[in-house]
Amino acid sequence: QVQLVQSGAEVKKPGASVKVSCQASGYIFSNHDINWVRQASGQGLEWIGWMNPYTGNTGYRQTFRGRVAMTRNTSTRTAYMELTGLTSEDTAVYYCVRPNVGEYTFDYWGQGSLVIVSS
Amino acid sequence: QLVLTQPPAASASLGASVKLTCTLSSGHSTYTIAWHQQLPGKGPRYLMKLKSDGSHKKGDGIPDRFSGSSSGAERYLTISNLQSDDEAVYYCQTWTADIRGVFGGGTRLTVL
Repeated sequence: QVQLVQSGAEVKKPGASVKVSCQASGYIFSNHDINWVRQASGQGLEWIGWMNPYTGNTGYRQTFRGRVAMTRNTSTRTAYMELTGLTSEDTAVYYCVRPNVGEYTFDYWGQGSLVIVSS
Repeated sequence: QLVLTQPPAASASLGASVKLTCTLSSGHSTYTIAWHQQLPGKGPRYLMKLKSDGSHKKGDGIPDRFSGSSSGAERYLTISNLQSDDEAVYYCQTWTADIRGVFGGGTRLTVL
């Protein structure tokens, strides 16, 4: 079955960077994009960006450009999201999600990775 | 600009049915959406994708009590025979070429 397993919680200081991983299994990794979505406590879902594991092409929400990088390691079927210049506003749970092919509905979610930014 | 609008809250009684709404902004009435469920303290889970003609395809293991329908720019999620475990926040989601994750604000469902 399809699974997206994410890395554990992280605590970072303001100004630092964080790199979250997402290991995929149960499907052909290169056939589906990986997207990243975050959720601050008590808030809604915010889309961050996408990555094509086959080509490495990426696209980021305007508000994150220059501060986010999405990469992958195809041999380990792992996607990564690195966010730099962290502030307290980046404290959130970060999810990797897999969209369908053809229609971009998010049909599988990782379990989430909590990132806390605190001095 | 594509916007998904959801009422912030809904409630219904145990064993009853409830119909949740997601409204697509003007000019986007043909878009397919997905419904996701987020139980308290958990991550979101995909429920189904729902097309403008009302056809829908559910995710693995989603009970028959969950169904979808459409009318114009409105997309609906109907939950029948409500259980206490259905108490959750329900999000609708769609995409554009530039913004591949467009989410509604979510509807918090309370089972009375």
